[in-house]
Order: sequence, then structure tokens, then C-alpha cells
Amino acid sequence: DVKVTQSSRYLVKRTGEKVFLECVQDMDHENMFWYRQDPGLGLRLIYFSYDVKMKEKGDIPEGYSVSREKKERFSLILESASTNQTSMYLCASSPGTDEETQYFGPGTRLLVL
Amino acid sequence: EDQVTQSPEALRLQEGESSSLNCSYTVSGLRGLFWYRQDPGKGPEFLFTLYSAGEEKEKERLKATLTKKESFLHITAPKPEDSATYLCAVRPGTYKYIFGTGTRLKVLA
Repeated sequence: DVKVTQSSRYLVKRTGEKVFLECVQDMDHENMFWYRQDPGLGLRLIYFSYDVKMKEKGDIPEGYSVSREKKERFSLILESASTNQTSMYLCASSPGTDEETQYFGPGTRLLVL
Repeated sequence: EDQVTQSPEALRLQEGESSSLNCSYTVSGLRGLFWYRQDPGKGPEFLFTLYSAGEEKEKERLKATLTKKESFLHITAPKPEDSATYLCAVRPGTYKYIFGTGTRLKVLA
């Protein structure tokens, strides 16, 4: 069974704070992804990583950065949180083989005040 | 432009009333179509992956089918615990996944 875990289920932060969201997968997957999910907009890709220390921008990378120092761990960083970053953040991983199903974590609901 | 459209946006069924959810897609080259179930406040839970037209997969009361332009998620004799949002996604290329906005299903006892 694939397991993707996220460090927090709920977070409340103040505008301007630096925020770290962590994601860990236990299936030795090559690829990891960060999405945000907002009502009516669906899932939007922020960043993805296809290997350790490798990262690529998704559709909405502005205001975010990522880090992947170990294969199993992918961190999303909000350098200076803003109210428009209030959202549900979802981490996913996929094997990196021909079978490319993404498996998602439970999500982190972030509120920026 | 690559695009995924799900319909209907919301669906209410009586327990036992079978129905189908639709996922229409326009992509330059399909490398996988995925169905997920999402409960409120939780991450999407994987249901099915389909790769080629004509392919079908089943799991309990759910059956997913795929044509060259759309996929259907058939729900047979649904129960209240099937209430959730069902998401469809397509993979048109390496690392790129496009998600629909989902169908909110409510099954009434």
C-alpha cells in the first residue's frame, strides 16, 4: 500500500511568516508533486520533482519554493505567506515507471491571516 | 489546449439508483486517465487508471470505461457511503496531469 504523509492537517499562519509544508512517501517513488486545491479551480500544480535535488515549476510557482534533499521527502516553502495562499495543499507521488498513477497525501489546510 | 471537463457538477441519487459520471477530455496524446474519490477535507484516493480506448476496470460498485474522447464512471446500486467528489485527471505528457473540477455525488438513504 502506497503511503504519502503530510506534516500537518491544519495550519494557521500570519501574513509574512515563512511556512514549511513537508511530505514523505514510503514507496521509493521517483516523482513527487505539490498541488493546491481551491473551490471551482480544481487542482493546480505548483512544483514537481523527478529526482533528488531536481525540481521543475508547475503552473503556479510564484510565491513558493521547494526542496528535495532525500528521495522520500519533498518540502514546499512559502517564503512570505500571503492571504491569497490560503488553500488546501496536496502532495502526491508517482513511481516514475510506465505506470504513472499519482498517489496523494491527506492534505494540509492552510489559513493565512 | 489540453482540457478536462466533468459532468454533471453535482448529482443526487437515491440509494440503489444507478448512474454514470462523465469525464470528457481534449489532449494532444493520452498517456493515462485517472479516477479518484475525494471526501471532504481529505486528499484524493486513487480508484482507477485507464490507458487505451475500450479498456474497462471495476471495483465493487464502480466501473470505469474509456473511449477516445471520454471516460465514464458507472455507479451501480450506490450506497450512502459512496457520497464523495469524484475527480478525473488525464496525463498528456511527462509529469503533466490535468484535473477536472469534479462531480459531487450525494447518495440518499
